[in-house]
Parts: sequence; C-alpha cells; structure tokens
Amino acid sequence: EVQLVESGGGLVQPGGSLRLSCAASGFTLSNFGMNWVRQAPGKGLEWVSFISISGHTIYYADSVKGRFTISRDNAKNSLYLQVSSLRAEDTAVYYCARDGDKYYPKYFDYWGQGILVTVSS
Amino acid sequence: QSVLTQPPSASGTPGQRVTISCSGTSSNIESNTVSWYQHLPGTAPRLLIYSHNQRPSGVPDRFSGSKSGTSASLAISGLQSEDEADYYCAAWDDSLNGQIFGGGTKLTVL
Repeated sequence: EVQLVESGGGLVQPGGSLRLSCAASGFTLSNFGMNWVRQAPGKGLEWVSFISISGHTIYYADSVKGRFTISRDNAKNSLYLQVSSLRAEDTAVYYCARDGDKYYPKYFDYWGQGILVTVSS
Repeated sequence: QSVLTQPPSASGTPGQRVTISCSGTSSNIESNTVSWYQHLPGTAPRLLIYSHNQRPSGVPDRFSGSKSGTSASLAISGLQSEDEADYYCAAWDDSLNGQIFGGGTKLTVL
C-alpha cells in the first residue's frame, strides 16, 4: 500500500524557517517524480514544487521561488521541503504528492494526509 | 483568481448526472493533460481522472473526463451522497512553467 506521511510542520514566526519531510512507503521512491501542494485556510489547492526522480529537474510556483527548496533522498525514501522567509500567506496545510511521471509534472496520483504550517507572531 | 476557471458550486439529487467544467487557455488545457481530484476537508485529495479521461484503478466508472480545446469537464453519473466534496481540475501551464489548479467546485448532493 502506497503511503506518504508528512512531518515537520508547526507554528513559526514571520521570516522564520522550517523543514518539512515526507516519508514514503509501499513503492520505490526513486521511480517517481514528487510534488508539494498546499491549501491555505478556506482556499483551494495550490501546487508548490516538483522534483524529478534524480533531482535534476525542479520547478517552483512563482509564489515560493527563491524562498522554498525541494529535495529528496531516495536511499531514505524521503522528500523534503525547506521553507524559509515565511510569510503569513504561507500558512497552509502542505501535502506531499507522488507524480504520475518520472521527469516532468503530470498529475498527482497519491497524496499524504498533510501537515499544517502556521506563520504567525 | 485561478488561471483555470471552475464554477464555485454545483448540485444534484441522488441518481442524477452532474458536470463540472474547467476553462483554461492555449497554454494549459489545450496543450497539456488535464487531471481531476476529489477532496473532502481534512482528508488527502484523491485522483479521479488523469490524461483527460483515464481513471486510476479503484475509481468507479461513474466518473468520466473529457477535453475539448481550452476546456475540460468532469461528469459524475448516478450521483451518490458520498460524492459530496470539493472537485479540482489541474494542468501544466507552459507560460507559468508550473502546475495550476482550478479554484475548485463544491458539489452538494441534495
């Protein structure tokens, strides 16, 4: 059974940083591209970032470019999102989502339960 | 405002067929594949349709997708109470160089 479990969220002050993690099981992480998607309170889904199987291809939404960094460790079956220079508008539930493609973002076939990041003083 | 436009709400009675539209442009829907997701608050979103009209295993054939030009649609036939959820379309946008979602449609089963 495919499972994605996020961790590392919490309350952080504006300008602060966090490292989100996503532990993958039930499949071989190195065979799939991976994404982060978020949902702000009362808002819709927003794609954040994609990383290809080897990490050579990375994309970011304009709203997070330069502040967030996606990475992966296939040996540890883990995906990461370093979030920095956080703003109130980054408050959201962050989902880890497996991509249906290895090299380019196509669709999200499995999702984690999400982890809440709250940016507030 | 989302690049992909969906109606904010839709409704139907049990057994009915409802359709949710997703309007885009030549840089997203027309030139890339469309996917659809079901999301119940507090749960993980679920993939319903990918590559315009393909269903993952486990998704009932009551759910179907289509695409024409710059628009796509999700149809749900034989509406059931458990279909009450938020539905999102998504596609890659060549101009933004990123994945984009529609604003979401809240489906109510009356």
